Amino acid sequence: LAKTTQPISMDSYEGQEVNITCSHNNIATNDYITWYQQFPSQGPRFIIQGYKTKVTNEVASLFIPADRKSSTLSLPRVSLSDTAVYYCLVGLSGSARQLTFGSGTQLTVLP
Amino acid sequence: EPEVTQTPSHQVTQMGQEVILRCVPISNHLYFYWYRQILGQKVEFLVSFYNNEISEKSEIFDDQFSVERPDGSNFTLKIRSTKLEDSAMYFCASGRQGGDGNQPQHFGDGTRLSIL
Repeated sequence: LAKTTQPISMDSYEGQEVNITCSHNNIATNDYITWYQQFPSQGPRFIIQGYKTKVTNEVASLFIPADRKSSTLSLPRVSLSDTAVYYCLVGLSGSARQLTFGSGTQLTVLP
Repeated sequence: EPEVTQTPSHQVTQMGQEVILRCVPISNHLYFYWYRQILGQKVEFLVSFYNNEISEKSEIFDDQFSVERPDGSNFTLKIRSTKLEDSAMYFCASGRQGGDGNQPQHFGDGTRLSIL
């Protein structure tokens, strides 16, 4: 299972674009990169998943360089409600593909 | 959009008592999970369940814990002889897992278990 490193915390202001970068130097060939969001007292919520290049959905974009040793979650024009912990997960472990969460990045959006 | 539902949202129990946490996974999902999160700490994997049996379990999931899928919709976590350190948020998750293992899991909003 690839070890991931991401900033412990980030602050931003409403309306700004936020980029959270995750390092995963020992990513395996078959590993996907997945980001989850967690609000206080709620379960993690899937945001986006990608394998290479760029993936975009209605919530975020995920940029993955050719070597796949890092990835960047981009949140366009954040609002106060985007304040949450964001987790980068790489690969899945075990026969049932359970998730291994790190400490995540606490994003605080300020008015 | 279908979602995972958990009940109760908050459970307060005396130490030594048994608790059952309940979950209704998404109907066409095949894999079911329990995770827990102690206040201020990481989300930790407890157990996975597939084809009516436990697939994997972590070191946390000892003889005090058991899981069951008593019918086609519910998935339960039972904790016997609860201890103070069992106080945590317990999250149920489910996944479709088709032929591709990289499918996102869907989480419920958890049960906050408080042991007194």
